[in-house]
Amino acid sequence: AQSVTQLGSHVSVSEGALVLLRCNYSSSVPPYLFWYVQYPNQGLQLLLKYTSAATLVKGINGFEAEFKKSETSFHLTKPSAHMSDAAEYFCAVSDRQLRGKLIFGQGTELSVKP
Amino acid sequence: DTGVSQDPRHKITKRGQNVTFRCDPISEHNRLYWYRQTLGQGPEFLTYFQNEAQLEKSRLLSDRFSAERPKGSFSTLEIQRTEQGDSAMYLCASSPGGDTQYFGPGTRLTVL
Repeated sequence: AQSVTQLGSHVSVSEGALVLLRCNYSSSVPPYLFWYVQYPNQGLQLLLKYTSAATLVKGINGFEAEFKKSETSFHLTKPSAHMSDAAEYFCAVSDRQLRGKLIFGQGTELSVKP
Repeated sequence: DTGVSQDPRHKITKRGQNVTFRCDPISEHNRLYWYRQTLGQGPEFLTYFQNEAQLEKSRLLSDRFSAERPKGSFSTLEIQRTEQGDSAMYLCASSPGGDTQYFGPGTRLTVL
């Protein structure tokens, strides 16, 4: 069965500091991996996705993630945090066997201090 | 492309009442998904439609839950005899058949 583990339910950084949100996955077949962001009382917005092309994936708002098969990881990074990055971030896995349905991690709440 | 819309955005009901939510996917997206998200958790898959056919249902979808997608366009999710444990955000997503799902704003259900 596929699963996702996000390490750290809360991460706090200072404005301008590096953002690192951790995600590890479990999948018996090559996965598709996603990062979504959710602002309060809103739906999910896709930040970026990995679908077996380049292992370093660039997304919106300056975020990027690197797929590391040997570590079964897909960590999300941003070089310099902005106040507007404060939100909940979800890592998700999908593959063809799941009919495209997404399996989400529990989420990481990112706080950005001025 | 106006995005995925959901109605209502908020619903407060009393335990035992029936509720129905609507999802309008992005035009021509043939896949439609429903997820449930409880406080502090990631979304959990409920059910999936390919056009009008409901192809998969999660074990989370008890017999009090029913979903339809007539004519392969909008979808409805009905919960009968609501329970307090049904309180959650119900999210709808659509996809053109590739790997990316586009989410609506969700319907927040509160069962008193």
